[in-house]
Amino acid sequence: DVKVTQSSRYLVKRTGEKVFLECVQDMDHENMFWYRQDPGLGLRLIYFSYDVKMKEKGDIPEGYSVSREKKERFSLILESASTNQTSMYLCASSPPGAIQYFGAGTRLSVL
Amino acid sequence: GIQVEQSPPDLILQEGANSTLRCNFSDSVNNLQWFHQNPWGQLINLFYIPSGTKQNGRLSATTVATERYSLLYISSSQTTDSGVYFCAVNYDKIIFGKGTRLHILP
Repeated sequence: DVKVTQSSRYLVKRTGEKVFLECVQDMDHENMFWYRQDPGLGLRLIYFSYDVKMKEKGDIPEGYSVSREKKERFSLILESASTNQTSMYLCASSPPGAIQYFGAGTRLSVL
Repeated sequence: GIQVEQSPPDLILQEGANSTLRCNFSDSVNNLQWFHQNPWGQLINLFYIPSGTKQNGRLSATTVATERYSLLYISSSQTTDSGVYFCAVNYDKIIFGKGTRLHILP
């Protein structure tokens, strides 16, 4: 079974903190994705990566950055967390053009 | 860009009822997926269905790519079917609909 592991299920941070959300997949997938999910807005793509050290902006990259130093790991970074970044964050991985597999999600609250 | 619309936005049913969820998309797509997000937030893949019909137990899905829609059928609903159902299409990137929130009453 494909496994996509997100490091935390729940996270509480303060405004201005630097936040790291980690995602690891065990299927040697080329593509990895970060989404956020908000009520009434569905899932929106923040960033994706199709190879090590490669990254592409999604629909809402502002306020976020990413890092992919190893194929299995894709990190989402909030340089200076703000209250409007309180959300559910979902990581996914896939082979090119194929089905995406999701992690369990991280519910982030920024106070 | 491509639009993905799901209907209905909300659905409340009694346990045992059948339901049909719809996903319309505004342009040709490479593939389509249906997901179920359970009340704990976990997104579960249901179907990868660029065209045709697939069945998995009480769930089935049909995509008519030429007419740009997909349907998800849930028969004999159970309370564990509650949650949000998303369709997602692969255009130049993955685009999600806003989901259908399904609530099954015991």
